[in-house]
Amino acid sequence: GAVVSQHPSWVICKSGTSVKIECRSLDFQATTMFWYRQFPKQSLMLMATSNEGSKATYEQGVEKDKFLINHASLTLSTLTVTSAHPEDSSFYICSASGRLAGYEQYFGPGTRLTVT
Amino acid sequence: QKEVEQNSGPLSVPEGAIASLNCTYSDRVSQSFFWYRQYSGKSPELIMSIYSNGDKEDGRFTAQLNKASQYVSLLIRDSQPSDSATYLCAVNIVGNTGKLIFGQGTTLQVKP
Repeated sequence: GAVVSQHPSWVICKSGTSVKIECRSLDFQATTMFWYRQFPKQSLMLMATSNEGSKATYEQGVEKDKFLINHASLTLSTLTVTSAHPEDSSFYICSASGRLAGYEQYFGPGTRLTVT
Repeated sequence: QKEVEQNSGPLSVPEGAIASLNCTYSDRVSQSFFWYRQYSGKSPELIMSIYSNGDKEDGRFTAQLNKASQYVSLLIRDSQPSDSATYLCAVNIVGNTGKLIFGQGTTLQVKP
């Protein structure tokens, strides 16, 4: 149980375009989803927390107008990177937490974004 | 002071040995503690959760929690080369909506 999927697994886009990443909880209802970014050889950096049906809460320094998060259902959250630039190239990972004991988070496999 | 601290390593152990990974945290009211394993280029995988003082065993893994000392550890018995990865300690802060605070991770190398 507790499987989280992400799509796409990798994407290459041109500078200035937008990219949407989907995160789905496959076998449980995710009341909260989290979006992380990880640069090579660095630790996870939490970008935002989203609860189903409400606006996402962004971490300090994360531009909410650039990284649009939607959590429209208990099984789906999306992250849209708008007007992407090469410095947005990174490994984006979502995690989901549901009605499970103790706030366990289950991670998706991640999406590797390369902006050219 | 960082909220969750880990030694970045690398921690190198021979195959078959016990690997001991340590983590300290600063918030005394933290209630939930997790160990994640992350292979290079992959996303983290939950391997252990612990909520009360003492030991919790799952196969070759044992998590140990000492809330008085604000210390949580992970022991890996009979280490295998496939255990070579970065191990992330994560702590839930009471009052947050499930947000976890992660340590920087400890890189474990198990040598055949």
